[in-house]
Amino acid sequence: GAGVSQSPSNKVTEKGKDVELRCDPISGHTALYWYRQSLGQGLEFLIYFQGNSAPDKSGLPSDRFSAERTGGSVSTLTIQRTQQEDSAVYLCASSSGLAGGPADTQYFGPGTRLTVL
Amino acid sequence: QKEVEQNSGPLSVPEGAIASLNCTYSDRGSQSFFWYRQYSGKSPELIMSIYSNGDKEDGRFTAQLNKASQYVSLLIRDSQPSDSATYLCAVTYSSASKIIFGSGTRLSIRP
Repeated sequence: GAGVSQSPSNKVTEKGKDVELRCDPISGHTALYWYRQSLGQGLEFLIYFQGNSAPDKSGLPSDRFSAERTGGSVSTLTIQRTQQEDSAVYLCASSSGLAGGPADTQYFGPGTRLTVL
Repeated sequence: QKEVEQNSGPLSVPEGAIASLNCTYSDRGSQSFFWYRQYSGKSPELIMSIYSNGDKEDGRFTAQLNKASQYVSLLIRDSQPSDSATYLCAVTYSSASKIIFGSGTRLSIRP
């Protein structure tokens, strides 16, 4: 497993349900990022972890969104009480962390396509 | 004003010509600048990074940065059909804890 992996690849849920998205970064990468991409749009930065800490959580769209990272590796993005406007592709990326977080080259996972009915 | 602005395109360029993609940003303290390429239905991949004023060349790609004008561009020489994709400009905030992507420019190389 050389790349970033994400699961599930697709998730269909009903409005109001909670969902949990998972990201496995490249082994040894200390920095991890979550983005949201709506159809035909650019990437919306959600949150960045350096190790287990998130220096800036201001990108999270609302308090329904939360993210955590434990053991400096796997991260989960949780969306509570999903709304239809949460439908998007959620992308995770990781980087070595050597250049200081977002200044590094980021390697993206394949994404999770979330559909809220 | 958007933090990172790009012309959405589509930009149509004949094969073999130079494609010029432009990006402006609002945070004067930004230090790191990136161009990512995204094929339809795929994840972004890094094309170029640039950190200081001037030009940086890598094969057919040249990134140009002008911090005084808050402007970064990507030139693609000898454009190929395989270059047809959406190109995303990304800029780190001066706080270095956030990165902002533009909405992307769709490039189409016509044979």
